Amino acid sequence: NAGVMQNPRHLVRRRGQEARLRCSPMKGHSHVYWYRQLPEEGLKFMVYLQKENIIDESGMPKERFSAEFPKEGPSILRIQQVVRGDSAAYFCASSLPGRDRFSYEQYFGPGTRLTVT
Amino acid sequence: TQLLEQSPQFLSIQEGENLTVYCNSSSVFSSLQWYRQEPGEGPVLLVTVVTGGEVKKLKRLTFQFGDARKDSSLHITAAQPGDTGLYLCAPYPWGGYNKLIFGAGTRLAVHP
Repeated sequence: NAGVMQNPRHLVRRRGQEARLRCSPMKGHSHVYWYRQLPEEGLKFMVYLQKENIIDESGMPKERFSAEFPKEGPSILRIQQVVRGDSAAYFCASSLPGRDRFSYEQYFGPGTRLTVT
Repeated sequence: TQLLEQSPQFLSIQEGENLTVYCNSSSVFSSLQWYRQEPGEGPVLLVTVVTGGEVKKLKRLTFQFGDARKDSSLHITAAQPGDTGLYLCAPYPWGGYNKLIFGAGTRLAVHP
């Protein structure tokens, strides 16, 4: 059973470029969550998506950040015109469709480490 | 804003010792997950607790969810170097399953 896959594992971008981070959830999981971990800080929720729907984006910066989870293919977190402050580890997690409180267990991928130079 | 406190922040012990780490809040939670994260990797799920007062054992690890569903603890018996890592508690707020709240974690180092 493959776990949550993220790519790339490391991404270097110059200020002003775009960053695209990909996440393939575990097999059978239709819920995807994105979190950001800044250096020496805890994980912070960004966005929660189900197939073709954004359920909760309360943690997403208002500008430059967007996320999608299309019917086919991986979930994408897109950061436009990156700035140095966007340098962080970005983690994707997935869970099953909710039937009980265990269904919402989130399984994390290895993360994408974004460095903005 | 919900405040989640984990203590201690850092713990450095010798192999074979026992330890307990704590996760506390003033808020009530639907359920709570414990993760361990190693440098350069994503958090790995250890356990989920859902019922107030619940105790779960995973080999040498014992997890407890407080009666009032506001706190949790993780006890490790006879710690081993392989237990080294960042231990994170991550609850779901009461009534919602949209996002996990993460504490800063307890960084554990077990020396041979």
